[in-house]
Amino acid sequence: QVQLVQSGAEVKKPGASVKVSCKASGYTFTSYYMHWVRQAPGQGLEWMGMINPSGASASYAQKLQGRVTMTRDTSTSTVYMELSSLRSEDTAVYYCARAGGYMDVWGKGTTVTVSS
Amino acid sequence: DVQLTQSPSSLSASVGDRVTITCRASQSISSYLNWYQQKPGKAPKVLIYAASSLQSGVPSRFSGSGSGTDFTLTISSLQPEDFATYYCQQSYSTPYTFGQGTKLEI
Repeated sequence: QVQLVQSGAEVKKPGASVKVSCKASGYTFTSYYMHWVRQAPGQGLEWMGMINPSGASASYAQKLQGRVTMTRDTSTSTVYMELSSLRSEDTAVYYCARAGGYMDVWGKGTTVTVSS
Repeated sequence: DVQLTQSPSSLSASVGDRVTITCRASQSISSYLNWYQQKPGKAPKVLIYAASSLQSGVPSRFSGSGSGTDFTLTISSLQPEDFATYYCQQSYSTPYTFGQGTKLEI
């Protein structure tokens, strides 16, 4: 079955970087864009950006430009989201989601906590 | 950027009620509007895509309508498992923004 398996929870200090992985299975990896969406505690959903696993082109939310990088490894059907210069406001659950126009399959989420 | 405004932000209803949630876009987005349901501690789940298409496996009591700037999600007869938070999201242009959410409570 189609599934996205994300890496485990992370605790980071302010100023550090975090890299979250999302391993896809059950479908042709290069046929769907992968999006990243985050949700701060008690807050709504925030679109972070997306990557085309076929050509590796990526598009990011303006507010994260310069701090976020999305990459992929087609040999393992895995996409990565790296966020640098972490601050307390980056504490959130990070989701990857497959999309062919709409996000139809989601990972379970990765909790990233930024705390000194 | 396209801004999406949902109303209401929260809603109290009872089992069996008919409920409508509205999403208004800051500019025309044609039918590039999707609806998601999220329960506490879980990932969102798509209910409706392209404004009015029901995702496979989603009960038919959920329906969507609208185009341009005004959209609605309707639940025809609330079931206990429908109490959750609902988000609209546009896939017309990046950034693919979400509405602020509507919390549906008993």
